[in-house]
Order: sequence, then C-alpha cells, then structure tokens
Amino acid sequence: AQTVTQSQPEMSVQEAETVTLSCTYDTSESDYYLFWYKQPPSRQMILVIRQEAYKQQNATENRFSVNFQKAAKSFSLKISDSQLGDAAMYFCAYRSRWGFGNEKLTFGTGTRLTIIP
Amino acid sequence: DAGVTQSPTHLIKTRGQQVTLRCSPISGHKSVSWYQQVLGQGPQFIFQYYEKEERGRGNFPDRFSARQFPNYSSELNVNALLLGDSALYLCASSFWGTGGDSYEQYFGPGTRLTVT
Repeated sequence: AQTVTQSQPEMSVQEAETVTLSCTYDTSESDYYLFWYKQPPSRQMILVIRQEAYKQQNATENRFSVNFQKAAKSFSLKISDSQLGDAAMYFCAYRSRWGFGNEKLTFGTGTRLTIIP
Repeated sequence: DAGVTQSPTHLIKTRGQQVTLRCSPISGHKSVSWYQQVLGQGPQFIFQYYEKEERGRGNFPDRFSARQFPNYSSELNVNALLLGDSALYLCASSFWGTGGDSYEQYFGPGTRLTVT
C-alpha cells in the first residue's frame, strides 16, 4: 500500500517571501501521479499542481513549482512571492496509474501554511 | 458552470442512526469519488463510481455504502452511526478521456457530519 508523509504540521512565511513544503511517499510502483492540493478555511479542496512520475521535468504553475525526486520519493512544493490568499492547509497526494479508471487519492496529513503580513 | 455540489452542508445525528449524503457532479463528469476527512487529518478514500459501477473501495466497514444514479449524481449511506464517523465527507467528480484517465478531480465543499 502507498503512504504519503508530510512532516511539517505547520509552516509560516512572510508575505512576498518563498516557502517550501515537504512531502515524501512510499510506493513500489513506477508509474503514478503526485498532487498538491490546497484546502482553505472554506474546506473546498483545490488542485494546486500535478506531476506525472514518468516526466523528469518538474511541474510549474505560475508561483507554484515542485521539486520531484523520484529515486528519493520526495515531492516538495515551492511557493514564490507568497500572498495572503495562499494561507491554507496543503495536502500532498498520490494516485496510482495502474488499473483502468483508478482514481483513488492517498493523502498526507497536511501542512498548515500561515502568511505573515 | 456549477461546480460539485453536496447536500446537506451540515447535519447532526445520534449514534445508531443512519445518514444519507448527496453529491451532484459537474455537468459531463461521470466519475464520482467519496472521501472522509476526520479533523486534523487528510482525506481517506471511501468509494469511487463510474457509469454507475463501483470502481474502487477503501478500507471502510460495510456500514458504508454508495450508489450512482443515471444522471451521475451519487449518494453515500452510513448505517449504525458511531461517534468516530464524525467527519467532513467530501465528494469529487472527474471527466475521463478516451484513455480511461482523468487530469483532475474536482471537489465539492463537503458535508460536515457530527454524531452525538
């Protein structure tokens, strides 16, 4: 079974600064997806960024980028130019590519990000 | 377009009772998944349905069941409620391409269930 670990329960960053959230995972599979989801106080889970394991290039979405280290099973999220609206719980998630239509997401325990004005 | 909708927003039940939660996917989405999020934890996968067939089941007891209707909406039923069932229940929908894969699951706002 796959597991996802987020070792930082809480992080804080000054507005406009850069912060990195850590995530490690364990799997015996070679083909999978990794995600970062954001959950603000409104509880709506929002996709931040997605990485396909077969792609060596790290995914980037505007101010959000990842550092995907497949051999180390590490998947960190970097948020540049932090904004007040970035304050939320951030979850790392894993999804296998095996099995037709398998959409099960395995989540970590989350990191609460606080932005300091 | 409307996003994933869930009802009710919040409900309170007593131990031993039964509850039904409802989810309407985004128009055109045929896959619906359910997750349980206990306070302070990440969501846990409960079920996935596609075209009214169960595609996946998480490690939950038989007290949990679900179904998907012809219009792709879904219900999650929980029988014999326990205090430990208190959680936020999230529904997610997705669109599958011809390769049997989806890019993203879109989540609803959740239903907050409190069992007393």
